[in-house]
Amino acid sequence: DAGVTQSPTHLIKTRGQQVTLRCSPKSGHDTVSWYQQALGQGPQFIFQYYEEEERQRGNFPDRFSGHQFPNYSSELNVNALLLGDSALYLCASSKYPGGNSPLHFGNGTRLTVT
Amino acid sequence: GIQVEQSPPDLILQEGANSTLRCNFSDSVNNLQWFHQNPWGQLINLFYIPSGTKQNGRLSATTVATERYSLLYISSSQTTDSGVYFCAVDPPREAAGNKLTFGGGTRVLVKP
Repeated sequence: DAGVTQSPTHLIKTRGQQVTLRCSPKSGHDTVSWYQQALGQGPQFIFQYYEEEERQRGNFPDRFSGHQFPNYSSELNVNALLLGDSALYLCASSKYPGGNSPLHFGNGTRLTVT
Repeated sequence: GIQVEQSPPDLILQEGANSTLRCNFSDSVNNLQWFHQNPWGQLINLFYIPSGTKQNGRLSATTVATERYSLLYISSSQTTDSGVYFCAVDPPREAAGNKLTFGGGTRVLVKP
């Protein structure tokens, strides 16, 4: 039973560029959330997708956008990269959108912006 | 928004020792989850525990929702328990849940 998978594992980009991160949820899960974790801090909620729609959003600018596909996989896009976007980006999946089931995380994508 | 505070921030244990980590939150919550982040960055769900007590091997957790705190107990600690332990809460709302707010974490180092 595959868990949450993310790609790529590491990425180096230059300021101003755009990046796309990918996530496949755990088998049987239909809800995908994205979190940003800066060094030494706890993860921060970016947004959540269910039934191919953004259901909730955290306090992140419009440069951060996402998509969910019919097979429940998801992408996170970040435009006009800033140095401050350097972080570990974590994808998490769950079975219901209502917060009634535990969240399972992937191993993350470490993004470095130079 | 809701505030989540974890204590202590850092903990050094000798292998075999027991310890208690605490999570305080400032408002009522829909659910509470404990996670362990290992030194490689992998975040593992330990407990989904909006209230009551649960046990999983050497780990157990108790959440007293009415008093807005949760405790994570580690017994007979092992070096593989090292890492950062996060508490995360999901406030009740009308929309979808699992929009977790994380605490700052407790960094645990277990020495052999």
